[in-house]
Amino acid sequence: DAGVTQSPTHLIKTRGQQVTLRCSPKSGHDTVSWYQQALGQGPQFIFQYYEEEERQRGNFPDRFSGHQFPNYSSELNVNALLLGDSALYLCASSLVGSPGDEQYFGPGTRLTVT
Amino acid sequence: GQNIDQPTEMTATEGAIVQINCTYQTSGFNGLFWYQQHAGEAPTFLSYNVLDGLEEKGRFSSFLSRSKGYSYLLLKELQMKDSASYLCAVPYNQGGKLIFGQGTELSVKP
Repeated sequence: DAGVTQSPTHLIKTRGQQVTLRCSPKSGHDTVSWYQQALGQGPQFIFQYYEEEERQRGNFPDRFSGHQFPNYSSELNVNALLLGDSALYLCASSLVGSPGDEQYFGPGTRLTVT
Repeated sequence: GQNIDQPTEMTATEGAIVQINCTYQTSGFNGLFWYQQHAGEAPTFLSYNVLDGLEEKGRFSSFLSRSKGYSYLLLKELQMKDSASYLCAVPYNQGGKLIFGQGTELSVKP
């Protein structure tokens, strides 16, 4: 049973560039959430996708956008990168209606903006 | 709004017991999660409490008091591999986003 997978593992970008991160949910899951985790902090919610639509959004600017595909996989896009966007980006999947809608996390993508 | 507080750091000795506290303020309540996160890795699920009381799962136990907005994670027979960050999180709403505390960095020393 494959867990949540993310690609790439690490990424280095320059200020002003654009980046796309990818996530495949755990088998059987239909919901994908994205989180940003700065060093020494807890994860911060970016947005959640269900049935190919953005269901909830956190306090992140429009530079952060996403997409969910029919196979439930998801992408996170960040435009006009800033130094402050350097962080670990975590994808979490869940199944609507499961107890507590427990979210399973992927290994993350470490983004460094120089 | 939602607010979660937990200590930033704790240190304990191998073989001992440690309790990590979490207090929360939420506009509604849909349960409370504890996650373990080793450095550079993904958070992994430890427990989910929705009713008051203590739930035991091997060396780890989690307690919840909804009236006090309080939870703790109890780790027994500490091992070096338990050195990690422990994250307390509450769902903003059913099935929705998780609000995380800043995490408690636990160091287990010989």
